Amino acid sequence: IQVTQSPSSLSASVGDRVTITCRASQGISSHLAWYQQKPGKAPKLLLYAASTLQSGVPSRFSGSGSGTDFTLTISSLQPEDFATYYCQQLNSISYTFGQGTKLEIK
Amino acid sequence: EVQLVQSGAEVKKPGESLRISCRGSGYTFNTHWISWVRQMPGKGLEWMGRIDPRDSYINHSPSFQGHVTISVDKSISATYLQWSSLKASDTAMYYCARHISMDDSGWQPLGFDIWGQGTMVTVSS
Repeated sequence: IQVTQSPSSLSASVGDRVTITCRASQGISSHLAWYQQKPGKAPKLLLYAASTLQSGVPSRFSGSGSGTDFTLTISSLQPEDFATYYCQQLNSISYTFGQGTKLEIK
Repeated sequence: EVQLVQSGAEVKKPGESLRISCRGSGYTFNTHWISWVRQMPGKGLEWMGRIDPRDSYINHSPSFQGHVTISVDKSISATYLQWSSLKASDTAMYYCARHISMDDSGWQPLGFDIWGQGTMVTVSS
């Protein structure tokens, strides 16, 4: 299963609402997770099952979608949110990641 | 504290062998599958394979099958990633990551909730 993320990069300001999309090449039900990665650090799980917030993750992060089309939304960007975001399908082996979206400060 | 702690950075020559480790603590190691993930310099994340610590059942990504070996020693809560003959193209950061799953079997993962700090492997002549 191929996973295509868009955009590959995004410039935004603190307080903005941003949306990142992920499209799977075939239906994956809700078996999708989102991660945040900062430079030099391991990825951090934000959401799983497309829309379930991982414990400790701020509520400004939300996810939606099922089947082939998914979105990650950050409702009001904070300075600590500037990072790279990845989606991952977990419906079938291999557990493919999207190519990433680098979120930069405008 | 639940954590995965990986072995330190390695510098190797092409053709050499290597084994890196990932040790779990703060939870019952056998209850969660572990995956290995590669990140080449400046690139994205690539899933390599997973292992069930209870019985050492393994699934590999076709992209890595035959080039790496994943194993586990549940007596010391450790999983390993091994190469018999490294290539320059193996230069990358390698992460281990713990699965969260829908049920006790662990067969259907929901995501990777705990990650090791990463092991940087550099292969250069």
